[in-house]
Amino acid sequence: GAVVSQHPSRVICKSGTSVKIECRSLDFQATTMFWYRQFPKKSLMLMATSNEGSKATYEQGVEKDKFLINHASLTLSTLTVTSAHPEDSSFYICSARAVWPSGTDTQYFGPGTRLTVL
Amino acid sequence: SQQGEEDPQALSIQEGENATMNCSYKTSINNLQWYRQNSGRGLVHLILIRSNEREKHSGRLRVTLDTSKKSSSLLITASRAADTASYFCATDPSLYGNTDKLIFGTGTRLQVFP
Repeated sequence: GAVVSQHPSRVICKSGTSVKIECRSLDFQATTMFWYRQFPKKSLMLMATSNEGSKATYEQGVEKDKFLINHASLTLSTLTVTSAHPEDSSFYICSARAVWPSGTDTQYFGPGTRLTVL
Repeated sequence: SQQGEEDPQALSIQEGENATMNCSYKTSINNLQWYRQNSGRGLVHLILIRSNEREKHSGRLRVTLDTSKKSSSLLITASRAADTASYFCATDPSLYGNTDKLIFGTGTRLQVFP
């Protein structure tokens, strides 16, 4: 099956620093990737939709200048949390949309990145 | 919020029993999917049911969809301790066209005791 990786899996940083999270589709090309945020024991909230070669589409209430998304290639999207603060601490999950020759499409999720801002 | 609701929020059962989780959503949809998440991990896709389907099976999983009630249920039969996880429904709202944008429900935490 299709595999999506995220790096790093866990990061701890000081308040005010920026953190970059990578999302890679390992064995398929993904024209669309999605970034989600999940608080403890809560559901996933879609933050933005990332399309290769174009600007990301952010959900209402998500600050685009705070959460910078770059989809530089068909296998890589990055999320940069700029000037991180403790309230940005969360579990960030990406997903990648695969379109198979059969025409079916499925989203595959990465294992997540736990961000802790001190 | 467009987020769907799931009930129960938490469910504890013994191995061998069946577990039923329900999901309600708010908008018309292209499809509805169920995912599983072990604690602190990513999501695993379980099953997808399209808006024109009413029931689907996959192994010990049975999913139903009632678009008139905007609801779905996930039944896990003969549960095992390894089924312990959080289960989420996710809808692909048709009002956005076919974008594969997923709206997740609030989730059900299932605990299966040996």
